[in-house]
Amino acid sequence: QVQLVQSGAEVKKPGSSVRVSCKTSGGSFTTEAIGWLRQAPGQGPELMGIVIPTFAPPKYTQRFQGRVTITTDVSTTTVYMDLIGLRSEDTALYYCASSVGRLASFDSWGQGTLVTVSS
Amino acid sequence: DIIMTQSPGTLSVSPGARATLSCRASQSLRNNLAWYQQKPGQAPRLLIYGAFTRAPGIPARFSGSGSGAQFTLTISSLQSEDSAVYYCQQYNIWPGTFGQGTKLEIK
Repeated sequence: QVQLVQSGAEVKKPGSSVRVSCKTSGGSFTTEAIGWLRQAPGQGPELMGIVIPTFAPPKYTQRFQGRVTITTDVSTTTVYMDLIGLRSEDTALYYCASSVGRLASFDSWGQGTLVTVSS
Repeated sequence: DIIMTQSPGTLSVSPGARATLSCRASQSLRNNLAWYQQKPGQAPRLLIYGAFTRAPGIPARFSGSGSGAQFTLTISSLQSEDSAVYYCQQYNIWPGTFGQGTKLEIK
């Protein structure tokens, strides 16, 4: 099963950007799909986008299109999520999670990264 | 996007009893439905996929049923460790969407 380890918590100013990393191991990096989801306090997870490294380009949900970019580094089996134009409503836990495809359940999850947006 | 509605919002059940959690979709999903368990301070954990197939390592006490737009997660012989929030997720149509969760309390 894939193991996913995310970077640490971030505190950002409104209008700035954040990068969260997700180091993967134990799976097939080039064929597993890695999704980024976020979870605001008291709410269910929300998908932001998903990528299958070297196999398919990232696909973003409409809500985050234009603000989120997902990139991959095959040499380090790491996936990155960049979110720009941060606002207070972006304060949430951000998760990476693995899946067998763009439309599937998520069978392994990272530990989560808290991003706090505050002036 | 497909809207997932879970009920009840909170469920209190005694140890050893059975809990029944519901999930309704705004349109038919065939069997493309998953259930997750999330404990405080932890990431969600996959319990069920394909509406009724248990993920590896998940006890047989957890069972999924349903089809179309109405699904159920049943947890039998409840234990204190089952106290958590449970989410359903559809992955029939992009983007996959989650319900708002059912909080299960073991009293």
